[in-house]
Amino acid sequence: KNEVEQSPQNLTAQEGEFITINCSYSVGISALHWLQQHPGGGIVSLFMLSSGKKKHGRLIATINIQEKHSSLHITASHPRDSAVYICAVFIIQGAQKLVFGQGTRLTINP
Amino acid sequence: DGGITQSPKYLFRKEGQNVTLSCEQNLNHDAMYWYRQDPGQGLRLIYYSQIVNDFQKGDIAEGYSVSREKKESFPLTVTSAQKNPTAFYLCASSINAPTGELFFGEGSRLTVL
Repeated sequence: KNEVEQSPQNLTAQEGEFITINCSYSVGISALHWLQQHPGGGIVSLFMLSSGKKKHGRLIATINIQEKHSSLHITASHPRDSAVYICAVFIIQGAQKLVFGQGTRLTINP
Repeated sequence: DGGITQSPKYLFRKEGQNVTLSCEQNLNHDAMYWYRQDPGQGLRLIYYSQIVNDFQKGDIAEGYSVSREKKESFPLTVTSAQKNPTAFYLCASSINAPTGELFFGEGSRLTVL
């Protein structure tokens, strides 16, 4: 079982819909990253969380440390939001390192 | 503008050849990383460096080598010993260890012919 699991793996929605992408992890962490990868391959950091909730424009990220779960929400989705969204956690047990989820491919149709 | 520059964006290599991927950052970050991305898999760490003249192996270092002679530069060499080198390679940096915000380059796609 992967230490970081994302769901769904693929998500297709219509423009304007509210989007939720989930990330669950099975180990102790000190921080969680949400990243966005565009079709060309470049990756942009969206959020870094250790607790609570962060908001940037139409994007909202939440984390529940007790439940080992984080969600990324997109309000009023737009075709330009189409990308792969990646969750990554910094593990604090054993070899401290960043572990990445497999990513969620989001497609927003006009 | 500050950022990370990777080159080349696309690279073709014949079997048995070594190739070097460039990664340069002007963000004054101490930590730099090389990741490999394969279809359907999460990014995997090849090597990382937290300070000049020091670097550590990641999870899949076999067949790769790096150097960190300058703070700004962290080149990755894919050697002929790497059995399956065709992949997308991403360089990243952070101001300190991975608890800091990560900045990524645009990636280099290597294809072995």
